[in-house]
This record gives sequence, structure tokens and C-alpha cells, in this order.
Amino acid sequence: NAGVTQTPKFQVLKTGQSMTLQCAQDMNHEYMSWYRQDPGMGLRLIHYSVGAGITDQGEVPNGYNVSRSTTEDFPLRLLSAAPSQTSVYFCASSRAYLETQYFGPGTRLLVL
Amino acid sequence: GESVGLHLPTLSVQEGDNSIINCAYSNSASDYFIWYKQESGKGPQFIIDIRSNMDKRQGQRVTVLLNKTVKHLSLQIAATQPGDSAVYFCAENIRGSARQLTFGSGTQLTVLP
Repeated sequence: NAGVTQTPKFQVLKTGQSMTLQCAQDMNHEYMSWYRQDPGMGLRLIHYSVGAGITDQGEVPNGYNVSRSTTEDFPLRLLSAAPSQTSVYFCASSRAYLETQYFGPGTRLLVL
Repeated sequence: GESVGLHLPTLSVQEGDNSIINCAYSNSASDYFIWYKQESGKGPQFIIDIRSNMDKRQGQRVTVLLNKTVKHLSLQIAATQPGDSAVYFCAENIRGSARQLTFGSGTQLTVLP
């Protein structure tokens, strides 16, 4: 199993540009989530999904959209990038909520 | 212990010594806690978890202690090794809340040779 994969590893955007961060898992996990991590702070939940077709907002959802059309994929879309969205983004999956979460390697995003 | 801010708390220990990393939580409705390890440039990795009906749980070289009276959680690492150098986070689930964990800001553990 590849586990949780994320692409790209690093991205530079200009303010106002849009992009999609990809996340995929091959463990048939139902629960998937997106976090952002800023220097000196803990992970903050952006959006999560408890299964295909079901998504919900986390702590910091503004400026981000998600969809879950398949069990395997959970892309995160930045609609109009802002410098405040400069961060490291982690995707995670687990069999169910409160089961062991497996994290991807992260995407470093810089918005100029 | 952990705190929110720009600078992570740090802990330096000699190789072979035991490490204790602390975490305070504020919500008495928290019923499940997890410790994660994050090495530089990598995603967090699950270490150990504990439910609120327990006071102690042991894994391989790690022990988590939960004191609900003072809302305190600790991670003990026995015989600390250079590979243990990382940032350690605690996370909590608040009973009755939406299905999302709340993470602490982390503690940087450095193992000295």
C-alpha cells in the first residue's frame, strides 16, 4: 500500500490564483480530512469527510472547497489564493473517525 | 507543556534518559486523546492513544498518563534515542462535538548525544 499520497509537494501561487491540492489513499478508509499547519501552531482542520459524497466543514473552512466523489480521493480546492493561505497542508485518512489517522507527507504552499 | 504561539516549547534530553512531554487541556468533555510525532518535513505519525476511562496506557517504550482532575496528559518515552527527536503533539476529541480533533501546538524534543 502507498498509504496517503499528496501532490504537489510544493507550490507557489500568486494572489487570486486557484488550484487543487490532491490527496489519495489506498486503504479503503472512510474518514478523510484536510489540515493546515502554520509555524508554532497545531494542526487546524479545514474540511473532513466521513465517506464518499459526504463532506463537512472544520475549524477553518473559509477560502477552501472539497468534494468526495470516490472513497480514495479527497481534493482540496483553493478558490482565490490569498497570502494568509501560505501554509503546509496535510491530508489524513482513517477507517472511521477516532480510529488511527494516517497522514500524507504534506504540500507546502506559498502565496505571493 | 504545550501552548499556542509562535515558539514551540522545547525539551532537551540526553540519549538514554527518559523524556516526559506534557499537554494541558481545558475541556472536561474531552474523552479521547492521541499523541503524534512529527519529524522535520514529514506528516504526523500516530504514537499512542488513551480514552478518558483510563489513567494510563503503555506501548513500546512509550507511556501515556491521563490526569482528569487537573486536565493534564503526559507522554513518557523510555531510554530516549536520537530517532526520537521530533515535535510531539497531543490531540483531543470533545465528546458531543463535531467529528474533529483539536490539536495542541507541540513540543520540540531534542535528544543530545
